Amino acid sequence: QITLTQQAESLWVSPGEKVSITCRASQSLLYTDGKHYLSWYQQRPGQTTKALIYHASIRTDGVPTRFIGSGSGTEFTLSIEDVQPEDIALYYCLQTLKKPWTFGGGTKLELK
Amino acid sequence: QVQLQQSGAELVKPGTSVKLSCKASGYTFTSNHMNWIKQTTGQGLEWIGIINPGSGGTSYNVKFKGKATLTVDKSSSTAFMQLSSLTPEDSAVYYCARLLQSSYVMDAWGQGASVTVSS
Repeated sequence: QITLTQQAESLWVSPGEKVSITCRASQSLLYTDGKHYLSWYQQRPGQTTKALIYHASIRTDGVPTRFIGSGSGTEFTLSIEDVQPEDIALYYCLQTLKKPWTFGGGTKLELK
Repeated sequence: QVQLQQSGAELVKPGTSVKLSCKASGYTFTSNHMNWIKQTTGQGLEWIGIINPGSGGTSYNVKFKGKATLTVDKSSSTAFMQLSSLTPEDSAVYYCARLLQSSYVMDAWGQGASVTVSS
């Protein structure tokens, strides 16, 4: 199965800063249609899990533009520019290229 | 708006089974496949499997074959997951999540259902 590694378990950030969360895959997530099957999710306490990014770089409806997905092949990044207090959450990457679909271990964003 | 309402927390004994539900609203239930995901502190998020509500067709993570059984009731727009032969290792929060087939993103999630297996 494809392993997704989110190196940082926790990242500390101050409001207004930029932060980047990385996700490394054990094999390329590029499909023959030219798209990467990598998505990003946010988990906040008391709220349902929210999809942020799909195909590595496309924001889902309503996601603020400060959330930016990038990367290709096996290396992907979720960047949050001008971090807001409501961005303090757990973030996961997910690959849906090959079953069993697998998640990264998660990165917890915390306030400095 | 799209909503997935899951059943409540369960406290169950080892060796028994439990059936979790996920009631969908705000869209045509048979238009989107439904995933089930397990979350624990130690193992993070694990994909259990997926069901096509229209056909009843399923695909399971081999790790959960024999443990989880996915079904649907189209008349009530509800997806179910039965977990059998429960052990303490099955204690977790379980989520249902809708799949957008056009982008393979899980665009709507239930609130999660906690299962605790203890004697």
